[in-house]
Parts: sequence; structure tokens; C-alpha cells
Amino acid sequence: GIQVEQSPPDLILQEGANSTLRCNFSDSVNNLQWFHQNPWGQLINLFYIPSGTKQNGRLSATTVATERYSLLYISSSQTTDSGVYFCAVGPYNTDKLIFGTGTRLQVFP
Amino acid sequence: DTEVTQTPKHLVMGMTNKKSLKCEQHMGHRAMYWYKQKAKKPPELMFVYSYEKLSINESVPSRFSPECPNSSLLNLHLHALQPEDSALYLCASSQVPGGLYEQYFGPGTRLTVT
Repeated sequence: GIQVEQSPPDLILQEGANSTLRCNFSDSVNNLQWFHQNPWGQLINLFYIPSGTKQNGRLSATTVATERYSLLYISSSQTTDSGVYFCAVGPYNTDKLIFGTGTRLQVFP
Repeated sequence: DTEVTQTPKHLVMGMTNKKSLKCEQHMGHRAMYWYKQKAKKPPELMFVYSYEKLSINESVPSRFSPECPNSSLLNLHLHALQPEDSALYLCASSQVPGGLYEQYFGPGTRLTVT
């Protein structure tokens, strides 16, 4: 089955810093989502981005489907950005969403 | 509104109990999903319902029994669970089946089996 790897596994930042999270996947997909899981377990939708670039405030994402990777950029990080960031991919012709290994982000004041 | 609700928020049950988890959405979505998430691991798909019919079962043990009584509701019936089934159970929905639409998640039910 498709493999989804995220890097780095852990990231510690001071407030105000910028960061880039990476998601590599092993096969073609027709769905790619980025989520932020808060400390209470809620998965918050950040981007639906099977290809191209999108921006939402301090966050932006780029997916290069032909090279099988996606990047999530966080600028001017805040303590509320702490949590786990997951990318999840959907293989072609399936309803499955396969989650990556996650990046745990801690932002300190 | 992209809200998926789940009840209860927390559940503690013994290995001989029978309980049910409930998930509801009023977005008119026709695909609904159950995921299981163990501590410090990513969510893993359990079941997919497409137009109220079970379309994917990821080899889940029969002590987990899903049910989709109508297009807005999804239940997960639990019976004779084991302590290793303790986890966060997440429900999700998407507009139509087929994998081309965004999935939205509920807040989850944190289950402890004693």
C-alpha cells in the first residue's frame, strides 16, 4: 500500500519563527489534506491540496503531485500553533485517507 | 457549516459491556467514516459508508459493528472489547464518496476499556 512519511518528526520553535513541514508519499494520489490535531484530539482542516499552492493567513501549502510531495509553511508561529500536523493522502479510485506519521510542533513564548 | 458531532466525548467500559458510539452530520454528506487513533499514532481507517452502504471494512474485528441508519447518522456498536481497543475513535464525512472531496472530522470519543 501507499506509504506516507512526514518530516521532521518533532519541531521546537520560539514564537515568531517560521517553519516548513514536509510530506512524501509513495504513489499517485487524488486527495491530499493537511490537518492540525490540537491537544484535545480534534483534527482541524488546514488545506485540501491535491496539487498546486494555497494560502490561508500565516499558513500556506504546496503540493507537487508529479514528484509526490507536499509542503506546509507556517510563518510567524504562535503558541497556539502547537500540536501535531498530519498530512493524509487518498489513493486513486478509493475513499481511503491514509495518514502520514505526523510532525509534533511545540512553540514556546 | 462543516460540523461533525460525536457522542459521548469519553467512555469507560468493561470487557463484557455493550456500548455504542454515535456520529452525526447535517451537511448532506453521503460518505461517512470511522477511524481509530492510538496514542501518539496517526488515525487509521476502520470503515467507510457510501450512500448508507458499507463499502470498506479494513479487516476490523467483529467486536466492532458499524451501522448507518440514515444519511446523517453513523453508529459504532462495541461488544466484548479488549483493553488494547482503548483509543480515540474519530468519525468523518465527505460530500460524496470517491475520494475527491475533503473529509471533515468530529471531535472524537475517547474510549477506555477496563
